[in-house]
Amino acid sequence: AQKITQTQPGMFVQEKEAVTLDCTYDTSDPSYGLFWYKQPSSGEMIFLIYQGSYDQQNATEGRYSLNFQKARKSANLVISASQLGDSAMYFCAMREGFEGNFNKFYFGSGTKLNVKP
Amino acid sequence: DAGITQSPRHKVTETGTPVTLRCHQTENHRYMYWYRQDPGHGLRLIHYSYGVKDTDKGEVSDGYSVSRSKTEDFLLTLESATSSQTSVYFCAISPIGEREETQYFGPGTRLLVL
Repeated sequence: AQKITQTQPGMFVQEKEAVTLDCTYDTSDPSYGLFWYKQPSSGEMIFLIYQGSYDQQNATEGRYSLNFQKARKSANLVISASQLGDSAMYFCAMREGFEGNFNKFYFGSGTKLNVKP
Repeated sequence: DAGITQSPRHKVTETGTPVTLRCHQTENHRYMYWYRQDPGHGLRLIHYSYGVKDTDKGEVSDGYSVSRSKTEDFLLTLESATSSQTSVYFCAISPIGEREETQYFGPGTRLLVL
C-alpha cells in the first residue's frame, strides 16, 4: 500500500482565491510527521509546513495551513490568497517514527498547481 | 539554506559508463540521503547514511552504490549507467534533534543516460 497518496495530478486556481491540495497517508506508527514541499519550475525542493502527529492544532505558516484530520489520515494543504508565484509542484511527505532517531521519509507523487491571473 | 551542494548539476553520459554524483554539506549533519525524482513517482529513496561509513539501502537501490568517508560528503555511484537511470537526483540532509526534523534538499543533479 502507498504510504502517501495525492489524488490530484493537476489543479487550477484563480489568483487571490484559496486552494486545497489533498493528501492522505497510511501508517500504523503512533508517532509521525507530515510535511509539504513546493517545487517550482526551477527544480529546488522548498520546505513549507510541518505537522506532528501529536500536535493538537493545525499548523500554519503565513498563507499556508495544514488541515490535519488524524482519524481520516488526511493532511491537506490550504493555500490562501493564491499568487502567481504559487504555481509549482507540491509534494506531501511523511516521516514515520519517533523524532530523534533515523526515520525514512515517504513522498507522494505530487500535485501541479497552476494559478491563473 | 542548509548548506548543501551537489555536483555536477547536469551530466550527459552513455550507457555502460560509471557515474559518480557528489553531495557536500557544510553543517556537520549526521543523516544524508539520495533520492531520485521521476514524473509520477515523487521522490524515491535510493540510499541513506547515518554516519561516516554507515550506509543502507532505500527502496530503489539496485544499480547504485554509495560511500561516505567524511561527514560532509556523500557520494552516489552508478556503476554502469543505464537509460532507466535518467532522472533528477536529489541529496538531502535531516537535522535530527530539531523538532520538525524535516529534510532539506540540495539543488539536484539532472542526469541523462544515452
